[in-house]
Amino acid sequence: EVVMTQSPATLSVSPGERATLSCRASQSVSSNLAWYQQKPGQAPRLLMFGASTRATGIPARFSGSGSGTEFTLTISSLQSEDFAFYSCQQYNNWPPTFGQGTKVEIK
Amino acid sequence: QVQLQESGPGLVKPSETLSLSCTVSGASISSYYWSWIRQPPGKGLEWIGFISYSGSTNYNPSLKSRVTMSVDTSKNQFSLKLTSVTAADTAVYYCARGSPKPDNWGQGTLVTVSS
Repeated sequence: EVVMTQSPATLSVSPGERATLSCRASQSVSSNLAWYQQKPGQAPRLLMFGASTRATGIPARFSGSGSGTEFTLTISSLQSEDFAFYSCQQYNNWPPTFGQGTKVEIK
Repeated sequence: QVQLQESGPGLVKPSETLSLSCTVSGASISSYYWSWIRQPPGKGLEWIGFISYSGSTNYNPSLKSRVTMSVDTSKNQFSLKLTSVTAADTAVYYCARGSPKPDNWGQGTLVTVSS
């Protein structure tokens, strides 16, 4: 199965600053890459699919890029509600697989 | 607004069967694919499988021999059974709408495998 590796494990950022999260696939997944946001006690939320398409209702400060094996999620100006856990997922190969996640915390 | 709610025992004994249901409100189960995903404590998400309203399924090969999913359109519910559980099956179990990139998830339910 495709192994997804996210970095860093924890990202400390001040409100208003930019956050850049990385996700690497062990083999090419084309653009079949999604990002999810998780907060404690809440349902995970789909942020991005197709590597760069925002899901319904996702603010424009979230952007995704990449293809093949290297992907990036950028949050242009962190708001208080953005401090959370983020996971990437490939769905090019069965079974879909997720990265271990990146925790974005307040600096 | 679509809502999904997992239900089932929070504690299962080793070697027994884990059984969970997911009740869907705000959407008909007779559309979309419906998925189960889990997250062991301190680890990443793991895809278990999905089922369509007609009952066709696709399971993660790593769990395929132990997993059964079913759908009950009259109750707008779908279910998961995982047999012969061990401590490694301890996780938060999520149900979700859609596959392979679910757009609506339940809040998850913690299932602990312990005697």
